[in-house]
Amino acid sequence: KAGVTQTPRYLIKTRGQQVTLSCSPISGHRSVSWYQQTPGQGLQFLFEYFSETQRNKGNFPGRFSGRQFSNSRSEMNVSTLELGDSALYLCASSPGQNNQPQHFGDGTRLSIL
Amino acid sequence: GQNIDQPTEMTATEGAIVQINCTYQTSGFNGLFWYQQHAGEAPTFLSYNVLDGLEEKGRFSSFLSRSKGYSYLLLKELQMKDSASYLCAVRSDYKLSFGAGTTVTVRA
Repeated sequence: KAGVTQTPRYLIKTRGQQVTLSCSPISGHRSVSWYQQTPGQGLQFLFEYFSETQRNKGNFPGRFSGRQFSNSRSEMNVSTLELGDSALYLCASSPGQNNQPQHFGDGTRLSIL
Repeated sequence: GQNIDQPTEMTATEGAIVQINCTYQTSGFNGLFWYQQHAGEAPTFLSYNVLDGLEEKGRFSSFLSRSKGYSYLLLKELQMKDSASYLCAVRSDYKLSFGAGTTVTVRA
């Protein structure tokens, strides 16, 4: 069974640009969550989608948005990029119930110049 | 909100036992997860507790006390490959909140 796939693996952008990251969940998984990981803040929850609906979101500004498609694939968008947005962005999928573990992709390393 | 605390670093010798503690304060609780993350890699799932008590999985065990807001991960018969960051995470309303992680270094 293929794991969670994130593209691209690496990305370099400049301040003010926008970026879209993609996540394909494990087949059959309907929940996709996004996280930002930095050395100083650790793993921070961005948002979670289930059946194309956002079920919860973290404390990030509105520049961070996401969506989920009918095939459960998800995208995350960050607009007006800032230097502080440099981070590893991780996507995780699960079947969808609270007691089921999330399985992580390898992440997208975003660097802002 | 969630407040999750775990030690920053721990060092142990190959073959020994290490216990990583995690305390949490949360507005809701649907379970506690432990993940392992090697440097430069994605976190991988280790264990899940939702009821009080001990869950054992081979060399790894995890304990939960909901009344005390406390969990621990026990790593037995440590191996060099166990050197990694261990993340405690609390699930609430479909949101998974992580502690900062405990870096475990295993020495020969």
